[in-house]
Amino acid sequence: QSVLTQPPSVSGAPGQRVTISCTGSRSNIGAGYDVHWYQQLPGTAPKLLIYGNSNRPSGVPDRFSGSKSGTSASLAITGLQAEDEADYYCQSYDSSLSGWVFGGGTTLTVL
Amino acid sequence: QVQLVESGGGVVQPGRSLRLSCAASEFTFSTYGMHWVRQAPGKGLEWLAVISYDGSSKYYADSVKGRFTVSRDNSKNMLFLQMNSLRAEDTAVYYCARDVNVGSEHWFDSWGQGTLVSVSS
Repeated sequence: QSVLTQPPSVSGAPGQRVTISCTGSRSNIGAGYDVHWYQQLPGTAPKLLIYGNSNRPSGVPDRFSGSKSGTSASLAITGLQAEDEADYYCQSYDSSLSGWVFGGGTTLTVL
Repeated sequence: QVQLVESGGGVVQPGRSLRLSCAASEFTFSTYGMHWVRQAPGKGLEWLAVISYDGSSKYYADSVKGRFTVSRDNSKNMLFLQMNSLRAEDTAVYYCARDVNVGSEHWFDSWGQGTLVSVSS
């Protein structure tokens, strides 16, 4: 049971928009800690996708965007492409656990 | 281009020890905190430990506290994870990751390719 809750899977057709939610609590996202997102392509290491709720590292397409509100955050992907098929993880800090926490991960399937 | 290369994984019996290494290059290692994160087969990511840039501060997840020890050698640009009293549930790919912090916020901006640890009799 992950501290941050994500849907196990989402899917969409090429060109469509999908969103992935990340729900936390008052000890992590709700406490004001930022949410960061990682993309893990099959068989590879995670890669930073979004930091500080909504910032993209250099090289990440602007099709990827993040937002945060209250105890939740969301990752949106527009103009879906086949190469977006991957697992996506949200991450934050939890003050009750005194450590960093991840969501359980969401598998994106491009139909 | 930041490079992080883990090594030291393998098959180990329950109760035994293993030491993982992470070789860092292409950045000033001694100015960054570093983390260990693991991923059990078919499962999600789990944060394990962090060490400050100078090694003076270390924090652990409850799941490994007292069994795992993180350390670093800034003269050799190396990060380590000493794992003792290994259990079957420690079977996972272990990643080292570079810490970026702004204020009280931390995230992992670069990751190694991972090293697989399998705990089995």
